Amino acid sequence: AQSVTQLGSHVSVSEGALVLLRCNYSSSVPPYLFWYVQYPNQGLQLLLKYTSAATLVKGINGFEAEFKKSETSFHLTKPSAHMSDAAEYFCAVTRISGGYQKVTFGTGTKLQVIP
Amino acid sequence: DVKVTQSSRYLVKRTGEKVFLECVQDMDHENMFWYRQDPGLGLRLIYFSYDVKMKEKGDIPEGYSVSREKKERFSLILESASTNQTSMYLCASSSRTMRDTDDTDTQYFGPGTRLTVL
Repeated sequence: AQSVTQLGSHVSVSEGALVLLRCNYSSSVPPYLFWYVQYPNQGLQLLLKYTSAATLVKGINGFEAEFKKSETSFHLTKPSAHMSDAAEYFCAVTRISGGYQKVTFGTGTKLQVIP
Repeated sequence: DVKVTQSSRYLVKRTGEKVFLECVQDMDHENMFWYRQDPGLGLRLIYFSYDVKMKEKGDIPEGYSVSREKKERFSLILESASTNQTSMYLCASSSRTMRDTDDTDTQYFGPGTRLTVL
């Protein structure tokens, strides 16, 4: 069954430092992968998604993620953290279950940005 | 912009009460979903619907039911609320049919309802 593993439930970075949030997936077929962000007291919104068109995917707010099949990874990066990036980030993968395409979410990584 | 709204941001109920959580989307999406979000567990799918009057169980349907009488509205029902149903409930919608497996459905989320059952 398709699933995603997010390494690190909490990550702290200094303002201006590199952001790296890790996600590994397990999938028996080429997956579709997503990163969502949840700001405090809000629902989730899409940051970016991988659909097999290009391995390096650029998203909103300066984030990007690279699909690496050999490592089964889809890590999220941003060169320079801003205070406004403090949020919880979820990696997700599509899966087929009972003939329907569903999305499985990781357990989330809370990003803290230190001034 | 897609807008998904949920009827309440915060709700407090007592054990045994029947609870209705309402979700409305304004973009004519076929698919709608209900998740619960708990710390350390991420989002777990309760039920989803790919069309009016259609519903399918997700990963944790026990203790819940749903209703979709109109395309834009998807209701989650807790028949007899229990304390272990205290959680954040998130509704989402997406635009393509679930049977089209080549699609990469982006889900649009509502702001969530934080339910406390006492």
